[in-house]
Amino acid sequence: QVQLQESGPGLVKPSGTLSLTCAVSGGSINSNDWWTWVRQPPGKGLEWIGEIHRSGSTNYNASLNSRVTISADKSENQFSLELTSVTAADTAVYYCATKDSSGFYWGQGTLVTVSS
Amino acid sequence: DIQMTQSPSTLSASVGDRVTITCRASQNLNSWLAWYQQKPGRAPKLLIYKASILDSGVPSRFSGSGSGTDFTLTISSLQPDDSATYYCQQYTYLWTFGQGTKVEF
Repeated sequence: QVQLQESGPGLVKPSGTLSLTCAVSGGSINSNDWWTWVRQPPGKGLEWIGEIHRSGSTNYNASLNSRVTISADKSENQFSLELTSVTAADTAVYYCATKDSSGFYWGQGTLVTVSS
Repeated sequence: DIQMTQSPSTLSASVGDRVTITCRASQNLNSWLAWYQQKPGRAPKLLIYKASILDSGVPSRFSGSGSGTDFTLTISSLQPDDSATYYCQQYTYLWTFGQGTKVEF
């Protein structure tokens, strides 16, 4: 069963770039079709950020489209999120996730705070 | 984009109650709908996928039904450990989540 683990800075300055990595274990990043990022602002609901296919194609939330990039490193069996020009509104717990025919798999999440 | 409308937003119940949460989609999902339970400070936990398939290890008091645009999560006999926020999620096209239902005692 695949396991996911997010990592990256917990504090980012306003107007800076948020960068997170999701390490995949227990399986290959080539094994599932889509690899996804979701976020959850404190006290609020879940928001889908975007996804990357094992072929490299991507889909992004239209509300973030101009600021977000998701990439994958197959040699490291991981995928990444970059969000530019961040503001306090981007403060959230960020989750990586994937699915296969048996269900959905999520990382434990990492809190990123945007503050000077 | 597919919109998900979940209701109610908050639900107060007692131990042993039968509880129902509904989720309505703006487009036909067929059966591509999941339900999650989330407790404070924890990642969402998958309960049900493909509208009615119980994930491994999930108690049988949880069940899901529906297809197309209308879906239901039922807890047949509410237990103290079920106090949480529940989300529906469509995965027909990209992912969209409902607003969440907080179940409290």
